[in-house]
Amino acid sequence: DIVMTQTPLSLSVTPGQPASISCKSGQSLLHTDGRTYLYWFLQRPGQPPQLLIYEVSNRFSGVPDRFSGSGSGTDFTLKISRVEADDVGIYYCMQNIQVPLTFGGGTKVEIK
Amino acid sequence: QVQLQQSGPGLVKPSQTLSLTCAISGDSVSSNSGAWNWIRQSPSRGLEWLGRTYYRSKWYFDYALSVKSRITVNPDTSRNQFSLQLNSVTPEDTAMYYCARYYDGKADYWGQGTLVTVSS
Repeated sequence: DIVMTQTPLSLSVTPGQPASISCKSGQSLLHTDGRTYLYWFLQRPGQPPQLLIYEVSNRFSGVPDRFSGSGSGTDFTLKISRVEADDVGIYYCMQNIQVPLTFGGGTKVEIK
Repeated sequence: QVQLQQSGPGLVKPSQTLSLTCAISGDSVSSNSGAWNWIRQSPSRGLEWLGRTYYRSKWYFDYALSVKSRITVNPDTSRNQFSLQLNSVTPEDTAMYYCARYYDGKADYWGQGTLVTVSS
């Protein structure tokens, strides 16, 4: 199984300030088809995870442009340029290059 | 707009079978683009993918090794839904269970979740 490791475990951010979350995979997520199968989700309390970013850096429909993803191979980053109150929750990375699909342990973001 | 509606019991006795259903609207379980997944979440195990089914001229099934001997994911084309059966449950199977559609690799639609407790 591909292990997904997220850091930090938690983040407390002042509104309007940036935030950054790291995700490292146990093996490269670059497929022979040229796509990199790394995804980011936000889970708000009491809700299922919702897709934010697909294939490293593509924002899903309706996701604000303050969210951005970057990285390659095994090292990835999710950045929020200016955190808002609505961004609180737990952020997860996930790989979909092979089964079993695996998730990171999550990063809890709260507002100061 | 795709919607996934989960149903099934929230309490299952140890050694019995956990059965959940995910009804699909706005897409077809036998589409050639979607994959239909079950994922669970617990404090001890985090988000754990359990299995999926998808149709690409024939039906395919993939399961997590951790549950492979106990799990079945079944499509039901007549009702446009898919189901999860997990046999011989123990308290360690207590979790929030989600169904989710993966489209072109993206888990874009999720069910509302079903909290399943395994207890006598």
